[in-house]
Amino acid sequence: EAGVTQFPSHSVIEKGQTVTLRCDPISGHDNLYWYRRVMGKEIKFLLHFVKESKQDESGMPNNRFLAERTGGTYSTLKVQPAELEDSGVYFCASSQELGNSPLHFGNGTRLTVT
Amino acid sequence: GNSVTQMEGPVTLSEEAFLTINCTYTATGYPSLFWYVQYPGEGLQLLLKATKADDKGSNKGFEATYRKETTSFHLEKGSVQVSDSAVYFCALLTGANNLFFGTGTRLTVIP
Repeated sequence: EAGVTQFPSHSVIEKGQTVTLRCDPISGHDNLYWYRRVMGKEIKFLLHFVKESKQDESGMPNNRFLAERTGGTYSTLKVQPAELEDSGVYFCASSQELGNSPLHFGNGTRLTVT
Repeated sequence: GNSVTQMEGPVTLSEEAFLTINCTYTATGYPSLFWYVQYPGEGLQLLLKATKADDKGSNKGFEATYRKETTSFHLEKGSVQVSDSAVYFCALLTGANNLFFGTGTRLTVIP
């Protein structure tokens, strides 16, 4: 079984540019999550999809962040325009069911905004 | 609210030393508690979990006990190996299926 895959693994962009991160969950996992870790701080929840619907987007920092999951398969997270404080590692995770179903994490995308 | 506080690192130990990484939490309700590990160049992996008070999670020689009275879930291992070098994250899972993580503790084990 393929795990959660994220692309790209690293991205370096200038302030004001746009970046799109992609996450492919494990096949059949309806739940997809985005998290972010800013350097040295805790990993923070951004949002949760159930299939193509946003179940909870309370962690999205501002309207420069847009997440989509068209068709309920892969998801994209777009940052436009990027700011310096957006730098960090963005993790995606998926799970089959809610409750005690384990979250499977991808390797993360390291975003650096200069 | 929900939050996790864990021991700041980095932690450097010699091989075969005893490891403790402290974790305390604040939560509404009765969360499940987890330790995740991130090895170099890899994603987060579930190390162990406990779903109710007094449960002990264990895996790969690591253990943690869910202590409701002290709101703690400290990670321990009796004898660490070089291959245990990684970043360890304590986390709690709310009823809404949201994971709250601590800041992570980097462990380096030297031969």
